[in-house]
Amino acid sequence: EIVLTQSPATLSLSPGERATLSCRASQSVNSYLAWYQQKPGQAPRLLIYDASNRATGIPARFSGDGSETDFTLTISSLEPEDFAVYYCQQRTNWPITFGQGTRLEIK
Amino acid sequence: QVQLVESGGGVVQPGRSLRLSCAASGFTFSRYGMHWVRQAPGKGLEWVGVISSDGSNKNYADSVKGRFNISRDNSKNTQYLQMNSLRAEDTAVYYCAKPEGHTANFASWGQGTLVTVSS
Repeated sequence: EIVLTQSPATLSLSPGERATLSCRASQSVNSYLAWYQQKPGQAPRLLIYDASNRATGIPARFSGDGSETDFTLTISSLEPEDFAVYYCQQRTNWPITFGQGTRLEIK
Repeated sequence: QVQLVESGGGVVQPGRSLRLSCAASGFTFSRYGMHWVRQAPGKGLEWVGVISSDGSNKNYADSVKGRFNISRDNSKNTQYLQMNSLRAEDTAVYYCAKPEGHTANFASWGQGTLVTVSS
């Protein structure tokens, strides 16, 4: 099973600041990594797929980078609605696995 | 637009069974493999399993293998999750998820249904 480790567990920032979230895989996932945003009481929302492709309707302030084992989600300038929990997910091997999440909170 | 509606959740005693349903609309259901993902209270996301578009292939997380079974009825645009021998650690919100194309990027999710396993 591929283990995804996200860091930091919690990130405290202010609106307008830049956020950088990390996801590290225990073995190569090529570029088959996705990022999701989840707000309380809601289902997750796909943000980025295949490491760097924005999903439909996702604002340009969200970007993804990386390959093999190291990936980054960047939010260039935080909006109030961006404070949420973010998960990475790999689809290279079964079982599909998720990271444990990074909570992005308002400082 | 894609809509996924889960139902069937509730409170069930350990060792008992429960069947969840996911009714799909807004896309050609029979063309897509479909997944279940769960989330224990206050915890992260855990993939449960997948069924191919025609129902002939299935794959499960080790944590549910041998206890859970995914099926589908393409004539009713519905997939099911039969959960047997339920344990306290199966307590979670269960989401139905549709992938983007033939990938496992989950572009569409239902609202989830809560399953609580407790005596």
